[in-house]
Amino acid sequence: DVKVTQSSRYLVKRTGEKVFLECVQDMDHENMFWYRQDPGLGLRLIYFSYDVKMKEKGDIPEGYSVSREKKERFSLILESASTNQTSMYLCASSPVGPGNTIYFGEGSWLTVV
Amino acid sequence: GQNIDQPTEMTATEGAIVQINCTYQTSGFNGLFWYQQHAGEAPTFLSYNVLDGLEEKGRFSSFLSRSKGYSYLLLKELQMKDSASYLCAVRDGSGGYQKVTFGIGTKLQVIP
Repeated sequence: DVKVTQSSRYLVKRTGEKVFLECVQDMDHENMFWYRQDPGLGLRLIYFSYDVKMKEKGDIPEGYSVSREKKERFSLILESASTNQTSMYLCASSPVGPGNTIYFGEGSWLTVV
Repeated sequence: GQNIDQPTEMTATEGAIVQINCTYQTSGFNGLFWYQQHAGEAPTFLSYNVLDGLEEKGRFSSFLSRSKGYSYLLLKELQMKDSASYLCAVRDGSGGYQKVTFGIGTKLQVIP
């Protein structure tokens, strides 16, 4: 079975803190994604990566950065957390090629106070 | 960019059939996914369409018309456990990347 593992399920951080959300996949997938999900707004793409050290902005990259130093690991970084970044964050991965599905991690619930 | 529209909520009766529609606009269509998401859980894959027509998988079927920018998910013999959100997602292959964008999801409530 494909496994996408997010390091933290629930986090509470203070405004201004630097936050790291880690994601690891075990299927050698080329593509990895970070989404956030908010009521009434659905899943919104923050960043995606199609190869090691490569990254592309999604629809809402402001306030976030990412790092992909190894193929299996894709990190989301909040340089200075703000309350409007309170959300559920979902990491996902997929292989290259048409029809290849996207596999999601369990999600990380981040609260910024 | 991409624009994906689907109804926000639907209600259907146990044992019945329900159709969830999705319309989209994208510059480099490269496939459409349907995902199921129960409250508090991660989305799970249901179906994928890249060519026009109907794909059937047990109680679930998905249809695609690329010329109309339209898809639907058909759920038959509804069960209470089918109460969930159903997410339509479109893959855009333009620029050589495989960006996947999701709609806001349709929350389906199955009632006895």
